[in-house]
Amino acid sequence: EIVLTQSPGTLSLSPGERATLSCRASQSVNSRYLAWYQQKPDQAPRLLIYGASSRATGIPDRFSGSGSGTDFTLTINRLEPEDFAVYYCQQYGSSPLYTFGQGTRLEIK
Amino acid sequence: EVQLVQSGAEVKKPGESLTISCMTSGYIFTNYWIGWVRQMPGKGLEWMGTIYPGDSDTRNSPSFQGQVTMSADKSISTAYLHWGSLTASDTAMYYCVRGSGNFDYWGQGTLVTVSS
Repeated sequence: EIVLTQSPGTLSLSPGERATLSCRASQSVNSRYLAWYQQKPDQAPRLLIYGASSRATGIPDRFSGSGSGTDFTLTINRLEPEDFAVYYCQQYGSSPLYTFGQGTRLEIK
Repeated sequence: EVQLVQSGAEVKKPGESLTISCMTSGYIFTNYWIGWVRQMPGKGLEWMGTIYPGDSDTRNSPSFQGQVTMSADKSISTAYLHWGSLTASDTAMYYCVRGSGNFDYWGQGTLVTVSS
């Protein structure tokens, strides 16, 4: 079973700063099947990044994804107030078919 | 416009049965997998299972195998999640999601509360 471990658990930054979120897999993940989601309070998650580095429709270009194998990164440049939320990585392909990381909370410093 | 609209919040007692629904529109229902994701209060996301409405092929998470049943009605482009006997630990928000590989559209969520 693939386990995704996200770090840090909580990240405290100010608007305008850059956020770097990590997702580490216990086994190699096919980059085509590594995604990132954003969840704001009392809202459903939304897809940000798929295929490790492709932005979903309507996602601003300050969001970018990178990585391969077991190490993946979500970077958010020039943080906007609406970016403070919880972020999840997710993989597809190994049993169980889909796995989510435990999430990183991005909070305003 | 793709939409996944879920049924409303439910309050149930332990041992009761429940079916929640996910009504879709804006795309060809039978061409995309539909999955279910659980989020327990204050916790993260857990994939429960997924169904292909075209032929009702299903994939289940081992963690939820035997606990829930997924189905789909092609005639009304709607997916369902069913519990035969609820327990307090089923209290959670449940999301339906579209996609294979990643989940590009999400329903608004159905809050299920199980309490005696």
